[in-house]
Amino acid sequence: NAGVTQTPKFQVLKTGQSMTLQCAQDMNHEYMSWYRQDPGMGLRLIHYSVGAGITDQGEVPNGYNVSRSTTEDFPLRLLSAAPSQTSVYFCASSSRLAGFYNEQFFGPGTRLTVL
Amino acid sequence: AQSVTQLGSHVSVSEGALVLLRCNYSSSVPPYLFWYVQYPNQGLQLLLKYTSAATLVKGINGFEAEFKKSETSFHLTKPSAHMSDAAEYFCAVSYGQNFVFGPGTRLSVLP
Repeated sequence: NAGVTQTPKFQVLKTGQSMTLQCAQDMNHEYMSWYRQDPGMGLRLIHYSVGAGITDQGEVPNGYNVSRSTTEDFPLRLLSAAPSQTSVYFCASSSRLAGFYNEQFFGPGTRLTVL
Repeated sequence: AQSVTQLGSHVSVSEGALVLLRCNYSSSVPPYLFWYVQYPNQGLQLLLKYTSAATLVKGINGFEAEFKKSETSFHLTKPSAHMSDAAEYFCAVSYGQNFVFGPGTRLSVLP
């Protein structure tokens, strides 16, 4: 049971380049989410999904796309990277318990630098 | 909108002293409540959670938290701080369709 995995661990991009951050979970969780973490800003929700084929925007969705074709995978796409997207990105997943979302399990993170 | 507040972005304690990290939430319905810890350059790890069972919850590494509905609080405590407790701590709540994190509190432990 690998939990939540993320690739790559580190990435450097040039402004304007695009890339996809990969996230997978093997716990059959319905809910998956992407956060970015910046110094002094806590965790900010980018996009989330409550099941395959269903995605929605979080607090800071601009410049990012997501899709959820399977329960296991939830990739995050940067369309045209900007220096403001330099951050650490975390993927997380959760199951439901009595109608509420239970604890989120986090991946190890991807540290992205945009030059 | 639902929110989570953590009093004090940075808390310092001496080794062996009591650790108290505060968390308050806004909700008309008792939510599920969580505390996470993040060590430098690592992901978030669950310390403990409250999901409508016992109001005093024990977690890993000697931490515990008490859910107080009347105060809408879920403060994290540890009787005796250890150097290895230095980390960032996040309180989080689940309100059904939403999962909200607090801004975090950085704990420093002084020798």
